[in-house]
Amino acid sequence: EAQVTQNPRYLITVTGKKLTVTCSQNMNHEYMSWYRQDPGLGLRQIYYSMNVEVTDKGDVPEGYKVSRKEKRNFPLILESPSPNQTSLYFCASRGQDYNSPLHFGNGTRLTVT
Amino acid sequence: QQPVQSPQAVILREGEDAVINCSSSKALYSVHWYRQKHGEAPVFLMILLKGGEQKGHEKISASFNEKKQQSSLYLTASQLSYSGTYFCGTEKANSGYALNFGKGTSLLVTP
Repeated sequence: EAQVTQNPRYLITVTGKKLTVTCSQNMNHEYMSWYRQDPGLGLRQIYYSMNVEVTDKGDVPEGYKVSRKEKRNFPLILESPSPNQTSLYFCASRGQDYNSPLHFGNGTRLTVT
Repeated sequence: QQPVQSPQAVILREGEDAVINCSSSKALYSVHWYRQKHGEAPVFLMILLKGGEQKGHEKISASFNEKKQQSSLYLTASQLSYSGTYFCGTEKANSGYALNFGKGTSLLVTP
């Protein structure tokens, strides 16, 4: 089944403790992206990647890192999480065709205390 | 860079129609529409490309006015299952397929 898999689904952590949210897709998509969703603010893009070893900042990149060493994986790294990073995170991928939709993972709900 | 959606929220009775608007200050290549149920991931509805035709399936259709950089989503004879939050995602030319989403429109269809 074609899918984007994120892990974990839920994560509670403390301020300053480094964490990684994994994202993997099995559709051979070049493009991958991370969004965060907060009430009333919609989906805001954190980082995106057009291809392996190519990443670019979205609208809210501060406090996040990403890497794209393989086509299928695009982990989101929070080196020193803070409470304002408490949010619902979505990973997504799409093919390199303007008719291609975004495929979303199931989301990771992160709470930083 | 977020496109602007309106209205923020709408409540309908089953069978009524609704229009959700999306506008951008940037020149757009495409507009995507997604629906999200509470606690779930957004689900793709349709894409409208610059120079393309108005799209639709069943009772949900959309248009894209390239000159005004605006898109509208039309929900006809709404059903209870249409409830959710609708997002438009906009894509600029040469943006590397990156999508920027609006803040969403919450739609509630009541019996």
